[in-house]
Amino acid sequence: EVKLVESGGDLVQTGGSLRLSCAASGFTFGNYDMHWVRQPPGKGPEWLSHISSGSGSIDYADSVKGRFTISRDNAKNSLYLQMNSLRDEDTALYYCVRTYCSGGTCYSRSSFDIWGQGTMVTVSS
Amino acid sequence: SALTQPPSASGSPGQSVTISCTGTSGDVGDYKYVSWYQQYPGKAPKLLIYEVTKRPSGVPDRFSASKSGNTASLTVSGLQAEDEADYYCSSYAGSNNLVFGGGTKLTVL
Repeated sequence: EVKLVESGGDLVQTGGSLRLSCAASGFTFGNYDMHWVRQPPGKGPEWLSHISSGSGSIDYADSVKGRFTISRDNAKNSLYLQMNSLRDEDTALYYCVRTYCSGGTCYSRSSFDIWGQGTMVTVSS
Repeated sequence: SALTQPPSASGSPGQSVTISCTGTSGDVGDYKYVSWYQQYPGKAPKLLIYEVTKRPSGVPDRFSASKSGNTASLTVSGLQAEDEADYYCSSYAGSNNLVFGGGTKLTVL
């Protein structure tokens, strides 16, 4: 079964740090670009960051640029998100997501077919 | 900025419902990379549509989509009770950015 399992979410104080992890299984993790997407309670998703399969290309949304760092360890089938200088507005359910690929084409900038169950991050002073 | 979707939509079983997703010339209007997702309460989103009109395998053909100018649309035909969910659009927005819509809650009457 293709699966993504996030962990590391917690209640943290404003200005604090947190590291999220995502364990992948059931597919060749190293072949796929991966992303982090968050969803505040009751709101739409927000794309946060992308990392290419070999870590050579990394992108961030303006809202987290300079504060969050995405990384991966293909040997461990794992994706990470280091979050620093956390703000109240970072409170959300954080998803690890896989780029959708079909017919030899991967839609790494636009479509996600596998989502984890999410890990909740709550930032409060 | 987030794409604009109506907060709610509704229809009776068997009917068709269309959900709009309005962006700008910097996202929806400029790129063919519009996607749609279905989300049930407490669950992760599920990919319904990619590249404006294409359905991943396993998605019923009752779900169809299109784009005109800066507005994309998702149509659910032959509404079923199980279609009651939240629907989100997304679009590539250039400069390696992606934006989502605020979501539309579909109610099957």
